[in-house]
Amino acid sequence: SQQGEEDPQALSIQEGENATMNCSYKTSINNLQWYRQNSGRGLVHLILIRSNEREKHSGRLRVTLDTSKKSSSLLITASRAADTASYFCATGRGNNRLAFGKGNQVVVIP
Amino acid sequence: EPEVTQTPSHQVTQMGQEVILRCVPISNHLYFYWYRQILGQKVEFLVSFYNNEISEKSEIFDDQFSVERPDGSNFTLKIRSTKLEDSAMYFCASNGVAGGKDTQYFGPGTRLTVL
Repeated sequence: SQQGEEDPQALSIQEGENATMNCSYKTSINNLQWYRQNSGRGLVHLILIRSNEREKHSGRLRVTLDTSKKSSSLLITASRAADTASYFCATGRGNNRLAFGKGNQVVVIP
Repeated sequence: EPEVTQTPSHQVTQMGQEVILRCVPISNHLYFYWYRQILGQKVEFLVSFYNNEISEKSEIFDDQFSVERPDGSNFTLKIRSTKLEDSAMYFCASNGVAGGKDTQYFGPGTRLTVL
């Protein structure tokens, strides 16, 4: 399965700029979740958007979901050096398992 | 804020040895999961566990793997005879809502190195 597969990007941006990353998936979902992972560390949950939602905000994060295109985007506004990490999307279906994408590496340059 | 904990943080073992990775899920959660991440690769689902039994497992979760909830708090993953390719980061996760419709909270992971 190719669910929850991000565009395999490596973003390098200046502090204060916005970072946008995308995720596409292939089958129906109940929800889509974004996680952050600092190098060699655990997965930190950022935000969940349900299949009947189109947009969600949490602090400096904005997530969109387009179920017709089977895609999602994560926008981090006013990026900080501490946002440097890998970002994964993961799709959830009724069978409980999450299907993760390959991740986007984001480097924020101070 | 409650969190999922995992021990040990790093486990080194010889090929063919048995290992047990331990997790303490969030206390009121009912669904428990193991995932693994081989270095530089995707996070992969291994198994989900609910009501004291496996609810789903992936093709990775073969007879060498088993899970157990030996008491009211711990959730373990056992690999009976480790192989070199079992070297990975193993993550435990939990949530409290049926059908995977809610957030899965992940532990910090156990890095397993098989020599």
